Amino acid sequence: DAGVTQSPTHLIKTRGQHVTLRCSPISGHKSVSWYQQVLGQGPQFIFQYYEKEERGRGNFPDRFSARQFPNYSSELNVNALLLGDSALYLCASTSTGSHEQYFGPGTRLTVT
Amino acid sequence: DAKTTQPNSMESNEEEPVHLPCNHSTISGTDYIHWYRQLPSQGPEYVIHGLTSNVNNRMASLAIAEDRKSSTLILHRATLRDAAVYYCILLNRDDKIIFGKGTRLHILP
Repeated sequence: DAGVTQSPTHLIKTRGQHVTLRCSPISGHKSVSWYQQVLGQGPQFIFQYYEKEERGRGNFPDRFSARQFPNYSSELNVNALLLGDSALYLCASTSTGSHEQYFGPGTRLTVT
Repeated sequence: DAKTTQPNSMESNEEEPVHLPCNHSTISGTDYIHWYRQLPSQGPEYVIHGLTSNVNNRMASLAIAEDRKSSTLILHRATLRDAAVYYCILLNRDDKIIFGKGTRLHILP
């Protein structure tokens, strides 16, 4: 079975631009979460979606937004990019009632 | 904020057991203890979780103190592929994961 997939793998943007990152959960998983991991730190929670509804939001500015589609895939959008947004963005999916989150390989975003 | 305390780094020899400690003195009765690990250049990977009793799976064992204020992840026979950052996390069901800095485990050949 395919694991969590994310696209693109790598991305370079300039300050002020907008970016959209995509995530496909494991088949049958209805919950998707997004995390930001800055070099040398643990991942930081950004959003959780379940059945297309936002279930939780971390301490991130309104420039960050996300949505979940009827097929449970998800997009993370970041507007007005700053240099500090450079990070690895991780997506994780969970099946209903499970404790385990399955992470994708991440998208490496570099803002110049 | 992360509710667990772990050593920043540990070393172990290959093919020997590894005991990774975690303190969680403010754990509540409904908090599960989870362990994830992150290998270099990969996303985190679920390792094991438990509530009160010790747990075993194909990857590791989890030993939980009787008062639940500490736990230990046990890798029975470390290999070079076990070199990673190990995160100890407290979670209620449906909680978001709050990662701390974890323990960086170095395996010596």
